[in-house]
Amino acid sequence: KNQVEQSPQSLIILEGKNCTLQCNYTVSPFSNLRWYKQDTGRGPVSLTIMTFSENTKSNGRYTATLDADTKQSSLHITASQLSDSASYICVVRRYGGSQGNLIFGKGTKLSVKP
Amino acid sequence: DAEITQSPRHKITETGRQVTLACHQTWNHNNMFWYRQDLGHGLRLIHYSYGVQDTNKGEVSDGYSVSRSNTEDLPLTLESAASSQTSVYFCASSDGTDYEQYFGPGTRLTVT
Repeated sequence: KNQVEQSPQSLIILEGKNCTLQCNYTVSPFSNLRWYKQDTGRGPVSLTIMTFSENTKSNGRYTATLDADTKQSSLHITASQLSDSASYICVVRRYGGSQGNLIFGKGTKLSVKP
Repeated sequence: DAEITQSPRHKITETGRQVTLACHQTWNHNNMFWYRQDLGHGLRLIHYSYGVQDTNKGEVSDGYSVSRSNTEDLPLTLESAASSQTSVYFCASSDGTDYEQYFGPGTRLTVT
C-alpha cells in the first residue's frame, strides 16, 4: 500500500535551535518527493522537490535530504525563527501516476517558542 | 501577480442544503484540484480536472461534484451537505511541468 508517514506528529523548539523532521514512504514506483510548509489558516506552499537522483537540496535555512534506497527523507531547519512555526507536509508522487496521484503525509506541526 | 483564490473563506450551512465553493486561478493552469483537510488526516483528493470539460473523481468524491467550463474556475458543489463534510477545503492548480501544486487559502465549511 502506498503510504507516507511523518514523524514526529508535533514538535516544540526554542527560537534559534535546529530541528529535523522525518518522512518515510512506501510509494512505488517513486517519482519525486516534495516538502510543503503550511502556515495556520493558509494553503500549503512548496519548499523543495527531491527527485530520485538527488540526495540533498537546500532552500535558505531549509535542507532536505533523500535516501531512495531506504525510502526516507528529512527536512532540517537551521537556526529556527518564530516564522517557522507551521505544519510541514511530505508529499510523494508515484512514477507514471496521474496528476491526482499524490500521496500526502499527515504533517508535522512545528512550534517555535521565543 | 498570478494567484488562486477561494470563496467564501468561511461558510456555515445546514444539513441537506446545497453548497458551492468557488475556486479561481489566474495562473492559466490546465490542472485543478479540490482537497479536504481534517485533523488526523493528510490532504485528501476530492476531484480534479485536467482541462475544460474534464473532471475526475478522487479518493473521497462521494457527495461532491465539480464542473469545468473554463480554464480559470473549478467550483465544488456539495449536493446535500452532511455533518461529515465539515472540513477545510483547499483548491490547487498546476501546469503539469513538474507537478508543483499551488494552493488557495482554503474555505472552512461547517455543516450544522
